Amino acid sequence: RKEVEQDPGPFNVPEGATVAFNCTYSNSASQSFFWYRQDCRKEPKLLMSVYSSGNEDGRFTAQLNRASQYISLLIRDSKLSDSATYLCVVWRAGNMLTFGGGTRLMVKP
Amino acid sequence: GAVVSQHPSWVICKSGTSVKIECRSLDFQATTMFWYRQFPKQSLMLMATSNEGSKATYEQGVEKDKFLINHASLTLSTLTVTSAHPEDSSFYICSASRAGSLGDTQYFGPGTRLTVL
Repeated sequence: RKEVEQDPGPFNVPEGATVAFNCTYSNSASQSFFWYRQDCRKEPKLLMSVYSSGNEDGRFTAQLNRASQYISLLIRDSKLSDSATYLCVVWRAGNMLTFGGGTRLMVKP
Repeated sequence: GAVVSQHPSWVICKSGTSVKIECRSLDFQATTMFWYRQFPKQSLMLMATSNEGSKATYEQGVEKDKFLINHASLTLSTLTVTSAHPEDSSFYICSASRAGSLGDTQYFGPGTRLTVL
């Protein structure tokens, strides 16, 4: 079983739609949680950190459920420019980031 | 701040040659740098963790004699793929965490695309 699991998608949605991605992690020692965005043939870029209380950054909302070891990302009012692969990433002491396989999003006009 | 560069951005080489990739933190000191590999349609896989002035720690299944890592300064780590073969063709990405930080924030370089013929 992979340490960080995501539905690979692709999620094909129209512009303006709301889309949600889920992620589960298996290591209960994980301490920090992130969503990264990766465009084709580019390096991953940090989208947002994820906190237990839930956090929002514009159209993006992230949630963490430590008891269920579950992380989510909600994107409202999807834009064409949101098309990318979204990586769920967890960190634990020892400086290790572990990446999920990524969920591909395609927003269509 | 927190810019990480990689050089070269892409390289094509013949089978059996060695390729060196540089990773630099441009505006901060990085005690720890990380090397990842990403095959097409797969996620990033950590290859090794590199600490300045000490030997790198390799992940299981990564051959340390094939992937030589040197982290001689607080701003530079190098990865040398020795005797590269076509199966080593991949996207190699480095990241760096700031000296004194918790380490959960890593700044990624733009990656190096290696193609071995």
